[in-house]
Amino acid sequence: DTGVSQDPRHKITKRGQNVTFRCDPISEHNRLYWYRQTLGQGPEFLTYFQNEAQLEKSRLLSDRFSAERPKGSFSTLEIQRTEQGDSAMYLCASSLVAKGTQYFGPGTRLLVL
Amino acid sequence: DQQVKQNSPSLSVQEGRISILNCDYTNSMFDYFLWYKKYPAEGPTFLISISSIKDKNEDGRFTVFLNKSAKHLSLHIVPSQPGDSAVYFCAASFSGGGADGLTFGKGTHLIIQP
Repeated sequence: DTGVSQDPRHKITKRGQNVTFRCDPISEHNRLYWYRQTLGQGPEFLTYFQNEAQLEKSRLLSDRFSAERPKGSFSTLEIQRTEQGDSAMYLCASSLVAKGTQYFGPGTRLLVL
Repeated sequence: DQQVKQNSPSLSVQEGRISILNCDYTNSMFDYFLWYKKYPAEGPTFLISISSIKDKNEDGRFTVFLNKSAKHLSLHIVPSQPGDSAVYFCAASFSGGGADGLTFGKGTHLIIQP
């Protein structure tokens, strides 16, 4: 399968713990995006990378969130000191060109207890 | 402020009939629009897109219409099939410099009745 993959698919953690999610984009795509989706809402943009450069961050991305794409391939999203409000589906997408169609992975569902 | 609005949280359509899903946007800078379909516990799947230089784009059973003056787009599915039951999201972006992320509506849950 050559689509976008995300790991883990589900994560349950206790408030205050750190969590890290991984995204592997479609191999030839140089743009990678992170979104968050909560119940009853559409996906909300968090940040995106062109190759290894993080080019934009939403105001939704608090100081507790950090994303990396060290070699321009896979990306990680870390949430430090998780809060119950961080419970959501975290989606990763990739695209071949700027402003192009974004293809999404299956998401990581996070539950913070 | 919701820049992309899908005002119908749910829509029920009989199998074989036409499904029409609507989307309105407020930001006139948006010039590229997409529809995604989402099943529970899966990521959104791309369906069809349209650029603002067009007013219609067709792909098989799916057609998207864009009315720029009304800032309105719609997705038509003909004929509707049981596998079309899912949540449909409208998304928008602009080709100018700056923001590259998509802005999504809240989605419409389409239910195809047998």
